Amino acid sequence: GAVVSQHPSWVICKSGTSVKIECRSLDFQATTMFWYRQFPKQSLMLMATSNEGSKATYEQGVEKDKFLINHASLTLSTLTVTSAHPEDSSFYICSASPGVRRTEAFFGQGTRLTVV
Amino acid sequence: QKEVEQDPGPLSVPEGAIVSLNCTYSNSAFQYFMWYRQYSRKGPELLMYTYSSGNKEDGRFTAQVDKSSKYISLFIRDSQPSDSATYLCAMKAEAGGTSYGKLTFGQGTILTVHP
Repeated sequence: GAVVSQHPSWVICKSGTSVKIECRSLDFQATTMFWYRQFPKQSLMLMATSNEGSKATYEQGVEKDKFLINHASLTLSTLTVTSAHPEDSSFYICSASPGVRRTEAFFGQGTRLTVV
Repeated sequence: QKEVEQDPGPLSVPEGAIVSLNCTYSNSAFQYFMWYRQYSRKGPELLMYTYSSGNKEDGRFTAQVDKSSKYISLFIRDSQPSDSATYLCAMKAEAGGTSYGKLTFGQGTILTVHP
């Protein structure tokens, strides 16, 4: 299957600082990538849709000024958690689809963020 | 009512058993159906991908979709301890445009296969 790489796999940061998470499609181009958040023993919650060359589309209830998304190229999207607080601690996962003839979604390894 | 319902379990079976995992959904527009396996602290791994109704088999895994009943299943034959994970069903309505990859997930079923 297609490969989506996410980095870092885990990060610990101090409250009030910002953290950047990268999501890369390694063997295909993705005009659209998706960012999810997952709490322990719960399913994935879509946060936003990242579109290459344009603004991200955020789901209802997700603060766009706190969760900054940049889709700089067809293989890279970044999620920046700004002024992080302990309640932002979670598991963040990105996904992408090769598109056109292949519509299944492939996920990154996830990033566990802990804000202390 | 959630768009996709999945029994969270947990489900515990002995090694070698046949496992049946199921999801029901309410949105008749869903056409693409996926099953993911997620190990603890890892991203979901795509297991099966099915379009519309029918069966699909891949090794020990069989996916079934019954759109008339809005019901999908994943069967695991000869289950192994390494199959212990959370299994998520996911689905979406269309393939094109910016909806690529925008999925609606079930809650996930926690499966344990004990030796």
